[in-house]
Amino acid sequence: KNQVEQSPQSLIILEGKNCTLQCNYTVSPFSNLRWYKQDTGRGPVSLTIMTFSENTKSNGRYTATLDADTKQSSLHITASQLSDSASYICVVPSGNTPLVFGKGTRLSVIA
Amino acid sequence: EAGVAQSPRYKIIEKRQSVAFWCNPISGHATLYWYQQILGQGPKLLIQFQNNGVVDDSQLPKDRFSAERLKGVDSTLKIQPAKLEDSAVYLCASSHVAGAVYNEQFFGPGTRLTVL
Repeated sequence: KNQVEQSPQSLIILEGKNCTLQCNYTVSPFSNLRWYKQDTGRGPVSLTIMTFSENTKSNGRYTATLDADTKQSSLHITASQLSDSASYICVVPSGNTPLVFGKGTRLSVIA
Repeated sequence: EAGVAQSPRYKIIEKRQSVAFWCNPISGHATLYWYQQILGQGPKLLIQFQNNGVVDDSQLPKDRFSAERLKGVDSTLKIQPAKLEDSAVYLCASSHVAGAVYNEQFFGPGTRLTVL
């Protein structure tokens, strides 16, 4: 069964600190993995798309890693800001089937 | 480039009432998706359109949910009659072409439905 599991479910950190969110997937066949940021009351917005051959990809203070052998991905946020407070969703497409979404990690950055 | 537009943003109804949501995708996007996102969960695909045809509606509760995209542009999603468990955010997304491996979906702001 195609699944995407994320951890932790929620996280609270102080402004300026770093954090890492985890994503494990069992989707097959694998083509790419996406991280989305979803602010409260808004739709998800794409942060990164990682293909099979990519190990690391950065987007500003966001760095995603991918280990296709262990089927794990992480999203690292550096020097967190209050505006980083959101849900971060890991998404894995599988061929022509619907996207497989994780439940997300709810991040709260506090001053 | 204008994003995906949805309305209304919020809706409160009583159970057994009917409700309709509207979505206008990004101009030129052939594929349109409706998702249901229950609090604390990831989005679940309800229906996918390619132009004005249905590609996938396997997870749409067809006894109460219906959707159309008559002219292949904007779309409406209807619930009739609503149940308490339909309380969720309904997201609309669009993309250029379905099936492309790196095809990115762009999401609208969603409609938050509360069924009392």
